[in-house]
Amino acid sequence: AQTVTQSQPEMSVQEAETVTLSCTYDTSESDYYLFWYKQPPSRQMILVIRQEAYKQQNATENRFSVNFQKAAKSFSLKISDSQLGDAAMYFCAYRAVTGANNLFFGTGTRLTVIP
Amino acid sequence: NAGVTQTPKFQVLKTGQSMTLQCAQDMNHEYMSWYRQDPGMGLRLIHYSVGAGITDQGEVPNGYNVSRSTTEDFPLRLLSAAPSQTSVYFCASSYSPSGVQETQYFGPGTRLLVL
Repeated sequence: AQTVTQSQPEMSVQEAETVTLSCTYDTSESDYYLFWYKQPPSRQMILVIRQEAYKQQNATENRFSVNFQKAAKSFSLKISDSQLGDAAMYFCAYRAVTGANNLFFGTGTRLTVIP
Repeated sequence: NAGVTQTPKFQVLKTGQSMTLQCAQDMNHEYMSWYRQDPGMGLRLIHYSVGAGITDQGEVPNGYNVSRSTTEDFPLRLLSAAPSQTSVYFCASSYSPSGVQETQYFGPGTRLLVL
């Protein structure tokens, strides 16, 4: 069974600085997708970034980038130039390539941005 | 498009009562799913559907029923509510049940309190 672990319940970062959120996962599949979702106080789930396991290149989306280490089963999210609007819960999620579009989530990291 | 809508936004139930959480999408999405979010637990899949007339269980299906009579609607039924079902419930959908680039769209959530 696949599991997703986020070992940092809370993180904080100074505005304009960089922060890295950690995520590890366990799976027996060779191909899969990994995601980072943001959940602000409104509770809306917002997709931040996606990584396909067969791609060696790390995904980037503006100030958000990932460090994907397939052998180590690690998938960290780096937020550069942190902004007040980045404050939220961040969830790492896994999805197998085969089968239905079901997501398996980690327990989340609450990010605080300090002005 | 309204996207994924959920009603009600908030509900209080007494133990043993029944109710239906509504989820609808107007994007002609084949795949729909229900997750519950509990503090410290992340989101966990309850049930999902890969098309009208087809449903299946996720990680935590006990105490919940679903049906999918139309493409647009995917209601979640609690037949006899228990305090352990106090949670925030999210509905999500995607165009295809699988596929490389499928993004799930989440509804705004329903907060349920069972006394």
